[in-house]
Amino acid sequence: KNEVEQSPQNLTAQEGEFITINCSYSVGISALHWLQQHPGGGIVSLFMLSSGKKKHGRLIATINIQEKHSSLHITASHPRDSAVYICAVPPTQGGSEKLVFGKGTKLTVNP
Amino acid sequence: EADIYQTPRYLVIGTGKKITLECSQTMGHDKMYWYQQDPGMELHLIHYSYGVNSTEKGDLSSESTVSRIRTEHFPLTLESARPSHTSQYLCASSELSGQSTDTQYFGPGTRLTVL
Repeated sequence: KNEVEQSPQNLTAQEGEFITINCSYSVGISALHWLQQHPGGGIVSLFMLSSGKKKHGRLIATINIQEKHSSLHITASHPRDSAVYICAVPPTQGGSEKLVFGKGTKLTVNP
Repeated sequence: EADIYQTPRYLVIGTGKKITLECSQTMGHDKMYWYQQDPGMELHLIHYSYGVNSTEKGDLSSESTVSRIRTEHFPLTLESARPSHTSQYLCASSELSGQSTDTQYFGPGTRLTVL
């Protein structure tokens, strides 16, 4: 079964800084998800990617299938970006509708 | 913005009570999920459904039960709540393609405290 490791666990930044959050997994996958969990608990899907790079506003997600690694970048960070960012992958290489979730990276952006 | 709703948002209840957590979605999604998340920890799948009259247990053992009588509705029931059930419960839904490439849409969660 896939194991997901995220780093760092906690990250504090000043407004405007460039942020990088990392996710590594142990078993080859068909797709990887990045999710954002707000302090109130609600979760929003940010990206689903299977190769290369995707960009949405100030958020950029990249994945290296060979190295089993993905990164989430935030450019020009803002206090409203403060949240927990979660990486999720299928449990096996064959793919599955079920996901295995990382413990998340808690990001705090100070003004 | 996803149209998936959970009620109640917060619930404090005594040991031994029966509770039902409600989840509804208006997107016509066939697949629905229940996750349990303890503070600072990862989400764990406790139940999922492929559609009406279909329910499966997830990876994390749970004393809860679910039902899927209507496509839009996926309630979770605890027959006898215990303090160990204190957690956040998140409902999600997705279209039915059977792949991990499906985007899951999450509800706002129910934060349950059992005294």
